[in-house]
Amino acid sequence: GENVEQHPSTLSVQEGDSAVIKCTYSDSASNYFPWYKQELGKRPQLIIDIRSNVGEKKDQRIAVTLNKTAKHFSLHITETQPEDSAVYFCAATPGPNYGGSQGNLIFGKGTKLSVKP
Amino acid sequence: DVKVTQSSRYLVKRTGEKVFLECVQDMDHENMFWYRQDPGLGLRLIYFSYDVKMKEKGDIPEGYSVSREKKERFSLILESASTNQTSMYLCASSLTEHEKLFFGSGTQLSVL
Repeated sequence: GENVEQHPSTLSVQEGDSAVIKCTYSDSASNYFPWYKQELGKRPQLIIDIRSNVGEKKDQRIAVTLNKTAKHFSLHITETQPEDSAVYFCAATPGPNYGGSQGNLIFGKGTKLSVKP
Repeated sequence: DVKVTQSSRYLVKRTGEKVFLECVQDMDHENMFWYRQDPGLGLRLIYFSYDVKMKEKGDIPEGYSVSREKKERFSLILESASTNQTSMYLCASSLTEHEKLFFGSGTQLSVL
């Protein structure tokens, strides 16, 4: 079945630096890859997503890249600010051979990003 | 904006009690989900529903059941709460499959 690995589990950067979080997935049939941000004590919120027919997507300081051949996708945050401090989760949809529900998203275990002023 | 409301922010229950966690969404979404969030384990799907009275098991359904009698409401039931069910429970909804999830603010359940 689908498995999503996320690295690193914690990441500390200086304000203004870039941050990169990487995820790998196992099911080559996966076709939707969202990223969620969860600030302390708050609910997860979608910040960006990418589908398998696209290699890169940008939204201001945030970008996601997808390498289908290598089965990995990454979140890039440029010019980090203290308000970027949060836990970030990647996720992937399972393919047709997944033993569980096709409607499910498989989440990575999360990366705690700390941006130091 | 979509509003997903969970009935309780904090709950304390005793082992063996029957526990109901309620979730309501106001945007006519087809899909509703119950996740469990534990430190270092990410978000794990317990159950989801893609239509009224329909339900599917997620990755960790043992010890839980669900009910969806109306489109806007999805309930998670712990038939006999156990200490290993102490966790943060997050409800979510989406318009269709493989679309943006809208999460509720979560219920922190403690089973003593």
